[in-house]
Order: sequence, then C-alpha cells, then structure tokens
Amino acid sequence: AAGVIQSPRHLIKEKRETATLKCYPIPRHDTVYWYQQGPGQDPQFLISFYEKMQSDKGSIPDRFSAQQFSDYHSELNMSSLELGDSALYFCASSLFETPTGELFFGEGSRLTVL
Amino acid sequence: AQKVTQAQTEISVVEKEDVTLDCVYETRDTTYYLFWYKQPPSGELVFLIRRNSFDEQNEISGRYSWNFQKSTSSFNFTITASQVVDSAVYFCALSEAEKTSYDKVIFGPGTSLSVIP
Repeated sequence: AAGVIQSPRHLIKEKRETATLKCYPIPRHDTVYWYQQGPGQDPQFLISFYEKMQSDKGSIPDRFSAQQFSDYHSELNMSSLELGDSALYFCASSLFETPTGELFFGEGSRLTVL
Repeated sequence: AQKVTQAQTEISVVEKEDVTLDCVYETRDTTYYLFWYKQPPSGELVFLIRRNSFDEQNEISGRYSWNFQKSTSSFNFTITASQVVDSAVYFCALSEAEKTSYDKVIFGPGTSLSVIP
C-alpha cells in the first residue's frame, strides 16, 4: 500500500540558507501534519492543514512557512536557517472522514544545517 | 491541556528479559486515542498500536502487550522475552478527538530501550 512520501530524505544546508521539504500524503488523505524532532527529543508538532487550509499551529518558528496544494501534497519552507533547525522532519497524513485519530507518518527528512 | 509522561528515560535489559514501559497521560477530553510508536536507530516512526478511550481491553500481539487503565490514566507497554531488535526509542502518544477529527498527536518524551545480548 502507498505510504506517505517525503523528499528529500536528507538535506544539508548552510546557515542563513533556505530549505524546502515536500510531503506527499497517502492517496485520498486530505489532512497533513508536520513535526520536527531534534536530536534526542520527541517529535514536536509544527503545523497541520486540512483541505488546503491551516487547521492547527504548534511551535513553528516565524521563519518557517507551509502550505497544502490542491493535490493535497504539502511543502514546508524554512528560511534563514539556524544550526538549531537541524532535525528530523516528519510529515503525517490522515483522512478527515475517518476520525480514528491515527496519523500515518512518512520516513522523515533529515536536515543538517552547517 | 494534553500531556504525555514517560518517566523512564532509558532502560537496559538483558535479552529474554521482560520489560515494561510506562506511560501516563493527561487530557480533559472524554474521547481520545492513545498510541505507541517505535523509533529504531534508522529514524522512522513505526506505529505499534492505537487504543481509543472507550476500549479498556488489554491487547496482546505476539511478544507485545498493552495495559490501558483509565482509572490511573496509564497505558503501559510490555515486551516479553526481549530481543536485541527491540532496541529503540519508544514513544507513547495522545490524540484528543472530541473537538475535531484532525487533532494532532502529542508525543511523550520517549523511553530509550537497550536490549543487551
């Protein structure tokens, strides 16, 4: 079965650069969530989208922005990168009509800021 | 506000021992979901189990079992006859479902399990 696809899987950037992560949800899933997991930390919720509208917002820095497109894929844009942005970024998806509470996670995108 | 506590930061056991990972949660909702995820060294999050707040039946899946007790707000996870491949970080997580059906999942801090051969 198709899972959540994240790209790129690994990304290395310099400080002050910009990075974009992409997330392709499971087909028919209309809700997307972004999480950030720093080294030795638990995944922290950043932001979520339902039907291309922001549905919830967590601890997402102002330097970050995200959107969901008409095909339900989502992109997380990170500008003015800092060393502390080095983390594993997870995307997850779910289907609004079936509120089971379960999120399906992608394998993550590992961002390293040098 | 929702919160998940995993008091054990790190646990080491010898192979074939049983081990229980503790999870205590806080929520004001009466409808919620509890999860356990495994994160091996490779980094991906592996879904293990989901339990809704109305189902207090304990569950067993192979060497894994879960004990959900609403009275103590706990959702503990036991691995029987542990194996080296069980070495990972285990996250307990909570999702509140009363307000909307797209509520985020909140993770506990995780318990790092090391199984020594």
